[in-house]
Amino acid sequence: DAKTTQPPSMDCAEGRAANLPCNHSTISGNEYVYWYRQIHSQGPQYIIHGLKNNETNEMASLIITEDRKSSTLILPHATLRDTAVYYCIVRVPPSSGGSNYKLTFGKGTLLTVNP
Amino acid sequence: GAVVSQHPSRVICKSGTSVKIECRSLDFQATTMFWYRQFPKQSLMLMATSNEGSKATYEQGVEKDKFLINHASLTLSTLTVTSAHPEDSSFYICSASSAAPYEQYFGPGTRLTVT
Repeated sequence: DAKTTQPPSMDCAEGRAANLPCNHSTISGNEYVYWYRQIHSQGPQYIIHGLKNNETNEMASLIITEDRKSSTLILPHATLRDTAVYYCIVRVPPSSGGSNYKLTFGKGTLLTVNP
Repeated sequence: GAVVSQHPSRVICKSGTSVKIECRSLDFQATTMFWYRQFPKQSLMLMATSNEGSKATYEQGVEKDKFLINHASLTLSTLTVTSAHPEDSSFYICSASSAAPYEQYFGPGTRLTVT
């Protein structure tokens, strides 16, 4: 899996958009960008993933640059419950028979949403 | 959908004893389950991968005789920490993957404290 680089921490005001950057300059053509988050003392939670097009779901939006070397996770209206460590992971999609099930977690970004 | 549970959520045991942690997929059949360990202020580290009915595959540096993994059914995997020592105190998280779409769903974690 390609390595990713994320800032160790970020702050955001409640109700504002939180924009979390991730650099993945060595990403391969068949690797997707995945985002997970981990609220303190809980298991990770899947947020979103994408290949090259921007993606949006009920939790967040994912913006991937045209060269795919970086991406931004956007939480449009951050709440206090969004305070968590956010992990950006690049990987090929898992498939049967492959060795690509593994998720390699980096250090992530601690997002603190302030009232 | 895709709910994974762990039991117990917290456990305290004495040094030298063994402790078993259960991981269950509640609403899907998990062909593959993963066990992670997370020390305070660190990221998740994969310990082992297990496929139903097969022996687990351990990551480098993880002692298979100390961390016994059983994946006897499509909904249950167990991790037994044998002869636990204080340095085994950690947050243990499991995840489960179905046959398709092969994505990982995480449990809430088990906090192990060895005194």
